[in-house]
Amino acid sequence: GAGVSQTPSNKVTEKGKYVELRCDPISGHTALYWYRQSLGQGPEFLIYFQGTGAADDSGLPNDRFFAVRPEGSVSTLKIQRTERGDSAVYLCASSLTSSSGGELFFGEGSRLTVL
Amino acid sequence: AQSVTQPDIHITVSEGASLELRCNYSYGATPYLFWYVQSPGQGLQLLLKYFSGDTLVQGIKGFEAEFKRSQSSFNLRKPSVHWSDAAEYFCAVGITGTASKLTFGTGTRLQVTL
Repeated sequence: GAGVSQTPSNKVTEKGKYVELRCDPISGHTALYWYRQSLGQGPEFLIYFQGTGAADDSGLPNDRFFAVRPEGSVSTLKIQRTERGDSAVYLCASSLTSSSGGELFFGEGSRLTVL
Repeated sequence: AQSVTQPDIHITVSEGASLELRCNYSYGATPYLFWYVQSPGQGLQLLLKYFSGDTLVQGIKGFEAEFKRSQSSFNLRKPSVHWSDAAEYFCAVGITGTASKLTFGTGTRLQVTL
């Protein structure tokens, strides 16, 4: 597709469950980013990939959060033992390279609700 | 660490009126600065960015922003607002060298009255 695609658009789960959120970046974009946006807040950086490797995962809040990008394209954000505080919109973005100066192209996000 | 402050949570303007959204940043060196817009059901879209050079930058949809180092500000302006500009606007700062890892402000919601 033409833009960044994220699935699911909405996910409701119960506390303690495992969740996977998928991101399909723009074709040819080597850099991929995950951000989290809580209600009333701006997006907060979680992790970014350059190719297959996580170049910076300093924003991941704890070890329940993990992300992969095994073939350098699609990425999956994985959250184990979900907590109510994980409820947020998870945004994925891609850019041509990580040095392209902040020209991030964002998806519409995956809204996660933990009951 | 860098930070961004958007002091106005919500602004209402009449269609055709001028607009200024405020943004102040904190960062030790010259930052990379951005404005993004988020409309309902759509992803964040880049309006404009400042890296260096001319401190007045032009963006899409008729927006412009001015970098003022002395005031640590990067305010967004538009001379005449259209109803379709109603959205949430985010200012963001990127660190030199890792410009794509952005720190966002909390956003300003713009309402346009007809």
